[in-house]
Order: sequence, then C-alpha cells, then structure tokens
Amino acid sequence: AQRVTQPEKLLSVFKGAPVELKCNYSYSGSPELFWYVQYSRQRLQLLLRHISRESIKGFTADLNKGETSFHLKKPFAQEEDSAMYYCALLPGAGSYQLTFGKGTKLSVIP
Amino acid sequence: NAGVTQTPKFRILKIGQSMTLQCTQDMNHNYMYWYRQDPGMGLKLIYYSVGAGITDKGEVPNGYNVSRSTTEDFPLRLELAAPSQTSVYFCASIGSGGEAFFGQGTRLTVV
Repeated sequence: AQRVTQPEKLLSVFKGAPVELKCNYSYSGSPELFWYVQYSRQRLQLLLRHISRESIKGFTADLNKGETSFHLKKPFAQEEDSAMYYCALLPGAGSYQLTFGKGTKLSVIP
Repeated sequence: NAGVTQTPKFRILKIGQSMTLQCTQDMNHNYMYWYRQDPGMGLKLIYYSVGAGITDKGEVPNGYNVSRSTTEDFPLRLELAAPSQTSVYFCASIGSGGEAFFGQGTRLTVV
C-alpha cells in the first residue's frame, strides 16, 4: 500500500528566509507526486506536480526516486505563503487511489 | 464553470441520524473521491470511484456508503451518525490531466 509522510506538522520561518517542506513516500511502482495547498478559507488547489517540472509562486519540487522524496522548496518565503501544504501520491498504472500526507502548516513570520 | 460542488456547507446531526452529503462535478471527470479532514490528521480517503457504477473503499470506509449512478454525482451516505464522524468532508474529482479539483467542503458536527 502507498504511504505519504510529511514529518513536520508546523513550520515557522521568517519572511525572506528559505523554506523546505519535506515529503517522503513509499510505493513500489512509479507514482505521480503532487503538492496541494490550502489557504485560509479556500478549497484545496494544486500547487505543483512532478511531471511538469515548473515553478509556481516561486516554489519548486524535485522528485528523488532514490530517496523516495518530493520536498517543496522556496528560496525566499513571503507572508502570503502561509497555508497548509499537502503532499499527495497517485499510483497510476491503473490505480487512481489518491493518497495525501498529514499536511504541514507553514507560518511565515513578518 | 462550477467545478466541484458540495452541499450542504454545514450540518449538525444528532447521534443515530442519517444524512447524505452531495457532490457533483461538471467537468466530465471519471474519478471522484471522498475525504475527511481531521485536525492534524490530514486527508483520509473514505471511498472513491473510477466511473459510473464502480466504487471502492479507501482507508476509512466504516460508517459510510457511496453510490455512483452518473458521471456527475457521487453522494456520500452516513448511516447512524456517531461523534467520531464529526469532521470536514471534501469531495474531489480527477480528469485525464491528473489534477484533482476539490469542493469547498462540508463541516459536519455530530452531537
């Protein structure tokens, strides 16, 4: 069975400091990995997916298959980045059981 | 484009009552999901569906039932509500692009 682990429940950083939200996964195949974000009083929305390899709102994430990690990074945190961040895994290959981690609450201190 | 719509937004149930949480999407997505979100526990998958007439259990299906008679609708039924079912419920759908679209959530309190 697949599993997504986000070790930090809460991460507080100062504005302008670098941010790294950790995500590790366990799955025997080649899944697709995502980062979703939930801003206050808004619905969950896609932030990044590993296959697109793009930067959104200054965030990037690299899939490391050797370490089974998909950490989310941003060089300079902004106050508007404060939100809940969820890492998610979609197995593919005929399986569409989308699994989420427990989430990390990012708080950017002005 | 409405996307994924959930109703109701809020509901208070008494122990033992039943209710149906409605979810509809207008994007012609095959894959639909129900999650519950508890503080500090993230999103736990209750049930999912890969198409009309096909449903499967997720991580926490006990106490819930689903049906998928059309592509658009994926209602979640709670029978004999219990305080442990107090949570925020999210419906989501995925199309061919792989991105999940979420509803705004239903906040359910069982007293």
